[in-house]
Amino acid sequence: GAVVSQHPSWVICKSGTSVKIECRSLDFQATTMFWYRQFPKQSLMLMATSNEGSKATYEQGVEKDKFLINHASLTLSTLTVTSAHPEDSSFYICSTSLSGNFGYSPLHFGNGTRLTVT
Amino acid sequence: RKEVEQDPGPFNVPEGATVAFNCTYSNSASQSFFWYRQDCRKEPKLLMSVYSSGNEDGRFTAQLNRASQYISLLIRDSKLSDSATYLCVVKSGGGADGLTFGKGTHLIIQP
Repeated sequence: GAVVSQHPSWVICKSGTSVKIECRSLDFQATTMFWYRQFPKQSLMLMATSNEGSKATYEQGVEKDKFLINHASLTLSTLTVTSAHPEDSSFYICSTSLSGNFGYSPLHFGNGTRLTVT
Repeated sequence: RKEVEQDPGPFNVPEGATVAFNCTYSNSASQSFFWYRQDCRKEPKLLMSVYSSGNEDGRFTAQLNRASQYISLLIRDSKLSDSATYLCVVKSGGGADGLTFGKGTHLIIQP
């Protein structure tokens, strides 16, 4: 069964609006959640690492004020794309690991959110 | 040189055939290796981890060649349902990050 639940699956919004994406860990506590973005025919690119109870760590080139991450509980991490623009249209995916040993345990992904900004 | 490199394909293979593809990585200190499968417009799903001695799971065989810095995935008796993009994932360094994804190899199994 699913380990990570992500909503919404897809969203179409107008330029300038904000979109919140939720990622929930099912039946386990996820202290760390990774947020990825994938453009068509490209590899998954890590955007940020979300840590429960502390500030997220953003990858180089990712604007923290534009992509707001909140990890207020052990089962929920959210990514808000603020003032979305067409170039933000992409496939956003969250992931985590069951064991917390990210070096050797595989990741489990949410079902992804396909964002289209018009 | 890219950190993780895969032939994007597509590989068009008839049903029942055996197909294999490789993934090269640049960091010799890489620790863990995985193959993920991603269907169109879906999230990646773990296919199998890759162990140093090589491992098999049903029709799928994964191998690691540290000397030449590549991993491979072999699919025997391919099924139509095997059509997908196969992502190579490499873990380098310590900590809770450092996972690098390849762009994937697109496989199409034809009836």
